[in-house]
Amino acid sequence: QVNLLQSGAALVKPGASVKLSCKASGYTFTDYYIHWVKQSHGKSLEWIGYINPNSVYTNYNEKFKSKATLTVDKSTNTAYMELSRLTSEDSATYYCTSGFVYWGQGTLVTVSS
Amino acid sequence: DIQMTQTPSSMPASLGERVTISCRASQGISNFLNWYQQKPDGTIKPLIYYTSNLQSGVPSRFSGSGSGTDYSLTISSLEPEDFAMYYCQQYDSSPWTFGGGTKLELK
Repeated sequence: QVNLLQSGAALVKPGASVKLSCKASGYTFTDYYIHWVKQSHGKSLEWIGYINPNSVYTNYNEKFKSKATLTVDKSTNTAYMELSRLTSEDSATYYCTSGFVYWGQGTLVTVSS
Repeated sequence: DIQMTQTPSSMPASLGERVTISCRASQGISNFLNWYQQKPDGTIKPLIYYTSNLQSGVPSRFSGSGSGTDYSLTISSLEPEDFAMYYCQQYDSSPWTFGGGTKLELK
């Protein structure tokens, strides 16, 4: 059974960084690109970018290029997204998804002092 | 960026009713269109890919159609578990973009 298990909710201070994780199981990790999607409270979905777990090539939405950094660890089938210089605008739920087929449960990030 | 406009934004409906949600792209997207369902707990379930192909395990009451800039999701007979948010998404060109969502509510 395919599962994408995301890290737990995070409360972070403005200006800080946070690194979210997404651990894949039940399929061959390199078979799908890992995408990350942002959902602000009560809003729609925004695509942040993707990483090819095989080549580690990344493609970012221009809007998030200076905000998000995507990495993977093939040895643990885990994808990561680091968000930097956090502001209140970054408070949201972040989802990882394998090829838009399998989805994680989401990680709530709250930016507050 | 391609803008995706979903209508309606909310839709009251009854059990057993047939409903259709529309999605219009700001330019042609060559059928590269997905549909998703999101439940109140945040769980996202993919329903349809490439306009009209059902994801594995999705009931046959769901169907998708369209071409060019206009696409739609139809649920032939609403079940209780279908009351949720629905989103379309284009993946014709980067950045991939989503519609604003349609909330399907029990009338």
